[in-house]
Amino acid sequence: GAGVSQSPSNKVTEKGKDVELRCDPISGHTALYWYRQSLGQGLEFLIYFQGNSAPDKSGLPSDRFSAERTGGSVSTLTIQRTQQEDSAVYLCASSLAAAGGQETQYFGPGTRLLVL
Amino acid sequence: SQQGEEDPQALSIQEGENATMNCSYKTSINNLQWYRQNSGRGLVHLILIRSNEREKHSGRLRVTLDTSKKSSSLLITASRAADTASYFCARVSSNTGKLIFGQGTTLQVKP
Repeated sequence: GAGVSQSPSNKVTEKGKDVELRCDPISGHTALYWYRQSLGQGLEFLIYFQGNSAPDKSGLPSDRFSAERTGGSVSTLTIQRTQQEDSAVYLCASSLAAAGGQETQYFGPGTRLLVL
Repeated sequence: SQQGEEDPQALSIQEGENATMNCSYKTSINNLQWYRQNSGRGLVHLILIRSNEREKHSGRLRVTLDTSKKSSSLLITASRAADTASYFCARVSSNTGKLIFGQGTTLQVKP
């Protein structure tokens, strides 16, 4: 079946612009995660959605970052007023459920963001 | 940092040799997972080992877990050039399922 998809694959933007990154999880997966991978910080958790529960936003680095998940499926990560340090690969993952964290997370190919 | 430690940071071996990567962590875990990443893009899940398990196998992969030492190891036997990639361990944080990743080991298998 189809895996997690993300778009765009690559995004180049100018400092100060807003960007939107999209994630389509595997159908039926109720848990959705965003991670960021950068040279200096490695792989970092950003935000997590589980069903209709309030998202866990504890990993968002600043209030310029926000995410939403519409209809329990597609998610959009928005970065406002981008800065050069936002340059990274943004990875989305989904899993069947998050209870106890015993489910495998399936990752998308990522969006490589470059802020000039 | 919440992130675990992995060693070695880089490993270069010849095809056919075994590769061992180690991972240590600082807090208790529900489970620990190993992932592979090719060319800096999507992560591929390899193995999940639960906190009450000590060893798990999947094909040429063997993972061990020692919760008393807060460490895990990934062994790849009879390595192939196609195993060249970065390997990450990740512990699951509480009930949210969010992954806390180690820094990763870059493995190069020379043909």
